[in-house]
Amino acid sequence: DAKTTQPTSMDCAEGRAANLPCNHSTISGNEYVYWYRQIHSQGPQYIIHGLKNNETNEMASLIITEDRKSSTLILPHATLRDTAVYYCIVRVANSGYALNFGKGTSLLVTP
Amino acid sequence: DVKVTQSSRYLVKRTGEKVFLECVQDMDHENMFWYRQDPGLGLRLIYFSYDVKMKEKGDIPEGYSVSREKKERFSLILESASTNQTSMYLCASSLPDRNTIYFGEGSWLTVV
Repeated sequence: DAKTTQPTSMDCAEGRAANLPCNHSTISGNEYVYWYRQIHSQGPQYIIHGLKNNETNEMASLIITEDRKSSTLILPHATLRDTAVYYCIVRVANSGYALNFGKGTSLLVTP
Repeated sequence: DVKVTQSSRYLVKRTGEKVFLECVQDMDHENMFWYRQDPGLGLRLIYFSYDVKMKEKGDIPEGYSVSREKKERFSLILESASTNQTSMYLCASSLPDRNTIYFGEGSWLTVV
């Protein structure tokens, strides 16, 4: 799996967009970018993933740069319930069963 | 929405007891997993199953066994619980890509 780098923590005001960056400069052509989050005392939650194109679902948008060396997860209107640790993971499909979540970014959404 | 349901949210068991953690998923996923999560150690894979009656060891299988008799159900068994198995246990199921993983809410097990 390609190595990822995320900021340790970020703050965001409620109602504003939260933009969470992830660097993955060693990503290879067949590796996808996955985002998960974990709210305190709960199991991790899948958010979104992508290969090359930008993706959007009901939870978030994923913007991947053209060179694929970095990406940004966007929560368009952050709420207090979005306070969580966000993990960026880069992997090929069907590469194994053990996900390495790393340390992630701790996002605090404030009133 | 995918739903992975773990039968018990909080359990307290005595050392030496046999413990069963049950998990059910409703999305007809072939892949199911059991992880444990501990502070500073992150998420560690105990066992996974890619089909009914099929199982493979993860990174830390010692002291655990699993059972997958039906596609939707994956059970984790602690044959003789020990205090170092106090942890949060997470069940999950995934799409065929193995990376789009849906987790349950977790089971907090305390062994005393």
